[in-house]
Amino acid sequence: QQQVKQSPQSLIVQKGGISIINCAYENTAFDYFPWYQQFPGKGPALLIAIRPDVSEKKEGRFTISFNKSAKQFSLHIMDSQPGDSATYFCAASILDAGKSTFGDGTTLTVKP
Amino acid sequence: DAGVTQSPTHLIKTRGQQVTLRCSPKSGHDTVSWYQQALGQGPQFIFQYYEEEERQRGNFPDRFSGHQYPNYSSELNVNALLLGDSALYLCASSLTGTNTGELFFGEGSRLTVL
Repeated sequence: QQQVKQSPQSLIVQKGGISIINCAYENTAFDYFPWYQQFPGKGPALLIAIRPDVSEKKEGRFTISFNKSAKQFSLHIMDSQPGDSATYFCAASILDAGKSTFGDGTTLTVKP
Repeated sequence: DAGVTQSPTHLIKTRGQQVTLRCSPKSGHDTVSWYQQALGQGPQFIFQYYEEEERQRGNFPDRFSGHQYPNYSSELNVNALLLGDSALYLCASSLTGTNTGELFFGEGSRLTVL
């Protein structure tokens, strides 16, 4: 049973456009929702994270929108740049409880 | 400040063999988690070590085992390798008790089973 579902699988955006990636979760005990960015040959790196007591968090060009009642959250990348081309993973976990559950990833390509 | 380091970066094994992967956590971190990332998929949790004990385990068979040393470094052992064990194995470190949730990943060990 996949507890975190991510879409789309791949995304192509023009430079300067907005990239939107969506995730849905099932376990209402999750209380930490991070997004990771992974470049080829590298491990995932934390991009931005949110807890369920807020509906939105913004860091620079990256914003997480969180809908607790719908059990969904999304990543918005404003003014997308070719350097943003990477694979993005959403995840969910229970803080300090151990494992993080990851989505299957979205490969983002930003065309110049 | 050294990040998470893993070794080896790449290795090739044959079916039935055994493999040991190693991880040194980020300086100051005391908790190590291991993940398996198959091609085109997200990381899957194998297990987590804290205070030299396995604290939590994902849905992986007993062929997967681990160890954590007093200096917080960790090993992942896989016995009786199967073709399906071919994947990128990621080590992630964190600091228990800070309630931040952030995982710091290494660059992984790419295992190919022939």
